[in-house]
Amino acid sequence: QKEVEQDPGPLSVPEGAIVSLNCTYSNSAFQYFMWYRQYSRKGPELLMYTYSSGNKEDGRFTAQVDKSSKYISLFIRDSQPSDSATYLCAMSENAGGTSYGKLTFGQGTILTVHP
Amino acid sequence: AAGVIQSPRHLIKEKRETATLKCYPIPRHDTVYWYQQGPGQDPQFLISFYEKMQSDKGSIPDRFSAQQFSDYHSELNMSSLELGDSALYFCASSPDPKYEQYFGPGTRLTVT
Repeated sequence: QKEVEQDPGPLSVPEGAIVSLNCTYSNSAFQYFMWYRQYSRKGPELLMYTYSSGNKEDGRFTAQVDKSSKYISLFIRDSQPSDSATYLCAMSENAGGTSYGKLTFGQGTILTVHP
Repeated sequence: AAGVIQSPRHLIKEKRETATLKCYPIPRHDTVYWYQQGPGQDPQFLISFYEKMQSDKGSIPDRFSAQQFSDYHSELNMSSLELGDSALYFCASSPDPKYEQYFGPGTRLTVT
């Protein structure tokens, strides 16, 4: 079983919908949580970065981390066709961990927002 | 804003040949990571460097080696290439291992 599990989708929503993307993880040493957006054959683009538990909002994007449940979420409000991409969650351990800094990714969720 | 630069962007090699991929991190970023992404897969960590020293190693074949130079750029050397090495290779940089990583556009390696 992978350390980080993410529903691969695909997920198809109409323009303007609220999108919810989720990941679960098993490694309790994970402290840093990121969401990346990746367009086909391009490099992952950082969307959100959070440390430990809590919420973070940036424009139409909100990231939530619940360490007690080992569960993270990304919400996209007012989704646009340009949001169509693969969304990857990624996590890394705290300083002192055996793999400090290395990112472990989820499988990615393919999102399509249709006009 | 400056981003991570990778070269070449595309590379075609034959089996058993050697390839060298280069990564130029964002200025003042002294931490570099290499990832391999196969078709339809998530990126897999290969190796990382912090302050020009190897800091962590993942599932990197012994045929691969990497280093970080005095100007913080990094090179991934791949020898005895196999068909299965065909993938996207990403470099990411960070100002410190505890901070977010910024990815480059990737090098698409095709081994024929």
